[in-house]
Amino acid sequence: SQKIEQNSEALNIQEGKTATLTCNYTNYSPAYLQWYRQDPGRGPVFLLLIRENEKEKRKERLKVTFDTTLKQSLFHITASQPADSATYLCALDGDNAGNMLTFGGGTRLMVKP
Amino acid sequence: DAGVTQSPTHLIKTRGQHVTLRCSPISGHKSVSWYQQVLGQGPQFIFQYYEKEERGRGNFPDRFSARQFPNYSSELNVNALLLGDSALYLCASSPRLIYEQYFGPGTRLTVT
Repeated sequence: SQKIEQNSEALNIQEGKTATLTCNYTNYSPAYLQWYRQDPGRGPVFLLLIRENEKEKRKERLKVTFDTTLKQSLFHITASQPADSATYLCALDGDNAGNMLTFGGGTRLMVKP
Repeated sequence: DAGVTQSPTHLIKTRGQHVTLRCSPISGHKSVSWYQQVLGQGPQFIFQYYEKEERGRGNFPDRFSARQFPNYSSELNVNALLLGDSALYLCASSPRLIYEQYFGPGTRLTVT
C-alpha cells in the first residue's frame, strides 16, 4: 500500500531563513500532491497543489517541487516568520481513482524570532 | 462566504454509544469528505460523498457510516463507540470531486 513519510521531528529555524520540508512517498504514482497547514486544534488549510507533470509551483513566499522519479516533494517557505509556525501536511490523491487524500504525518515547523 | 461548519465542537460519549456528527459545506461545493485525525498523526480518510453518492470509502469498520443530503450537508455516524474512536473528526468540502479540499474546524470526540 502507498506510504507517505514526513519528518516527524520538529524543524526549528530562525526568522528570515528558508524552511524546507520534505515529503517522500512509496508504492504509488500520484496524479497530484497537495500541501496543507494545520494549527493546533484547527482543521488543515489548503496551501498549494502540484500536478505530476509540473516540476515547481510558487505562491508568494511558498514554493513546492515535485520529483516523480525520486518520489519526493519539497516545500519551501522563504523569509520565514514566527507566524509560519505550524504543522505542515503533505497529501496525495488516493490509489483509487483519486477520490480520497492520503496524508503524511506532518512536520511541525517552529520559527524563532 | 462562510467556511465549512461542523457541529458539535466537542462531544463526550461512553463506550458502546452512538454518535452523529454534522457538516455543512461551503456554498456551491458538492463534494464532502470525512477524515479522522488522531493526536500527532495526519488525517485519515473515512468517506467521500459527491452529488449525494458515496464515491470513496477508507479502511474503517462498518460501524462508521455517512450520508449526504440534497443541500449537500452531511452526517457521519459511528455506532458501538470504542475508546480508540476518540479523535478529531474533520469534514472537508470541495467544488469538484477531487483537488483541493477546504476543511472545517472539526469535532473533538472523546470516548470514555
